[in-house]
Amino acid sequence: AQSVTQLGSHVSVSEGALVLLRCNYSSSVPPYLFWYVQYPNQGLQLLLKYTTGATLVKGINGFEAEFKKSETSFHLTKPSPHMSDAAEYFCAVSDGSSNTGKLIFGQGTTLQVKP
Amino acid sequence: DVKVTQSSRYLVKRTGEKVFLECVQDMDHENMFWYRQDPGLGLRLIYFSYDVKMKEKGDIPEGYSVSREKKERFSLILESASTNQTSMYLCASSLSGDPLYNSPLHFGNGTRLTVT
Repeated sequence: AQSVTQLGSHVSVSEGALVLLRCNYSSSVPPYLFWYVQYPNQGLQLLLKYTTGATLVKGINGFEAEFKKSETSFHLTKPSPHMSDAAEYFCAVSDGSSNTGKLIFGQGTTLQVKP
Repeated sequence: DVKVTQSSRYLVKRTGEKVFLECVQDMDHENMFWYRQDPGLGLRLIYFSYDVKMKEKGDIPEGYSVSREKKERFSLILESASTNQTSMYLCASSLSGDPLYNSPLHFGNGTRLTVT
């Protein structure tokens, strides 16, 4: 069965310092992987996705993630975050069938960005 | 832009009440989903639907049912609300085909339900 583990429920960084949000997955088939962001009082928005091809994926707002099959990881990074990046971030993996549209989500990581 | 609208932002209900959460999408998406979001647990799938009148159970369907009479509308029903159903409920939609490749999930803003 597919699963996702996000290491660290809370991450705090200073503005301008590198952000690293960790995600490890388990999948019995080649996975589709996603990062979503949830700003306060809003639904989830897609940041980026990995389906096939290049393993370094660039998303919106300067975020990127690298798919590492050997490490079963899909960590999210941003070199120089702003306070406006404070939000909850969710990693997700496809359920094993790309045609269902179903995703399995991690527990979420709350990012705090200090001035 | 795809718009997924959840009819209520906040809802307070009493234990034992029948509760309806409504979700409407305006982009003719075939797939619709109901997730529940709880701190430390992420999002968990309750039910999903591939087409009108079609539904399938997700990971935590107990205590819930759904209705999809029209393509654009997907309702979540709590038959007899209980306090452990206090949560944030998120609706999402996507196109059919290979939705995860071509069309990610589009989420509504959520309904925060409190059962007292």
